Amino acid sequence: EDQVTQSPEALRLQEGESSSLNCSYTVSGLRGLFWYRQDPGKGPEFLFTLYSAGEEKEKERLKATLTKKESFLHITAPKPEDSATYLCAVPGGADGLTFGKGTHLIIQP
Amino acid sequence: NAGVTQTPKFQVLKTGQSMTLQCAQDMNHEYMSWYRQDPGMGLRLIHYSVGAGITDQGEVPNGYNVSRSTTEDFPLRLLSAAPSQTSVYFCASRPQGAEAFFGQGTRLTVV
Repeated sequence: EDQVTQSPEALRLQEGESSSLNCSYTVSGLRGLFWYRQDPGKGPEFLFTLYSAGEEKEKERLKATLTKKESFLHITAPKPEDSATYLCAVPGGADGLTFGKGTHLIIQP
Repeated sequence: NAGVTQTPKFQVLKTGQSMTLQCAQDMNHEYMSWYRQDPGMGLRLIHYSVGAGITDQGEVPNGYNVSRSTTEDFPLRLLSAAPSQTSVYFCASRPQGAEAFFGQGTRLTVV
């Protein structure tokens, strides 16, 4: 059974304080790993797709990396507008996504 | 380009009532799916479709029905609402092998 575990569950940072979010996965044959951002009252918004170990993707202050067992979402010098819940997901056995429970990130000014 | 549109945004039902949550996409995606999101549980797959006329069950299908008569629409039916179906429901669509795009959600309360 595919499993996705995210840590920490919640993270509070000061503006400008860099950190990383973790996504550990167990799948039989990785067909991609997705990162999403979700704001309160909104649907998940796509950020990145990673397909193979060693791959990296960047967007503004965010960089996603992938190893054979986990992915990291690095946040460099975050701003309050980066506050959101960050979700990772992998394609599941059914034709849907298996999601982690997310990391709730708060950036304080 | 509207993307994925869900209606209604909010709904309150009484136990035993039925209703349909609407989902439409204008991106000509083959794959569509329904998820529910509950506190502490994350997003869980209810039903999915890989094309018009083809649907299948996900992780938590009990109490829900779907149909896919067109590429654009994928409605989710609650047959007899129960308090356990209080949740936020998201519809998503994607092309084959690519990332999913989500609607803005329907917040459903069953009293």
